[in-house]
Amino acid sequence: NAGVMQNPRHLVRRRGQEARLRCSPMKGHSHVYWYRQLPEEGLKFMVYLQKENIIDESGMPKERFSAEFPKEGPSILRIQQVVRGDSAAYFCASSSGSENYGYTFGSGTRLTVV
Amino acid sequence: GEDVEQSLFLSVREGDSSVINCTYTDSSSTYLYWYKQEPGAGLQLLTYIFSNMDMKQDQRLTVLLNKKDKHLSLRIADTQTGDSAIYFCAESKAGGYNKLIFGAGTRLAVHP
Repeated sequence: NAGVMQNPRHLVRRRGQEARLRCSPMKGHSHVYWYRQLPEEGLKFMVYLQKENIIDESGMPKERFSAEFPKEGPSILRIQQVVRGDSAAYFCASSSGSENYGYTFGSGTRLTVV
Repeated sequence: GEDVEQSLFLSVREGDSSVINCTYTDSSSTYLYWYKQEPGAGLQLLTYIFSNMDMKQDQRLTVLLNKKDKHLSLRIADTQTGDSAIYFCAESKAGGYNKLIFGAGTRLAVHP
C-alpha cells in the first residue's frame, strides 16, 4: 500500500513560468490537503479538497495559485507566473476523512524559482 | 487566534533525554500532534494526544499536556543520533476536518 506520492520531488522553474505539482493520495483516501513550507518555517495550510470539490482554500494566495482534485487522477497544485518568493517545499497529505489523529504526508515537492 | 510556538534549537548528548516544548493559544484545540521531519523528507507523525488527556506514553516518547497553560511537551528518552531531526508541534480542532496549525519546528541535534 503505497503512501502519499508526490512528484516531481524537485522542480526548477524560471520566473514567469508555470509550476504543476502532483499528489496521488493513499489508496482509499478521498481527502487531500496542500501545505507550503518556506525555508526555516513550519508548514502553512493552503487548501483542502475532496474529489471534484474545493472545501477550504483560505490559505491559498488570491492570485496565481489554483488547486484541483479531479474524479480521476492526482490532485494538482498549479502556480502560474512563478516568482522567487514561491520557492518552498510543497507538501500534500491525504486522509479518508474519518481520522482525528493526523494524516499522512507525502515527501514533498521542492520548488526552486530562478 | 491560532498560533503555535516552539523553541528553535535543542542540543543533547546521546543517551540523555530530550524535552521539546510547545505552546499554543487556541483553547478550543482538540488534538495536538508531534511530527518529525528528517532532512529532505516529508513529515512523519510521531504521536498525538487528545485534549482531555494529560499524558501519553509510546515507547521512548512521552507527551505531556498542560491544558491550563496551553503547554505541550515531547520527551524522548535515551536520545539517539537517529533522533536528530526537526520536530513540529501542531494543533487541530475536532469536527469538520483536520486543518493543522504548525509551529516553526525545533531542530534537535544529538551529539556523542
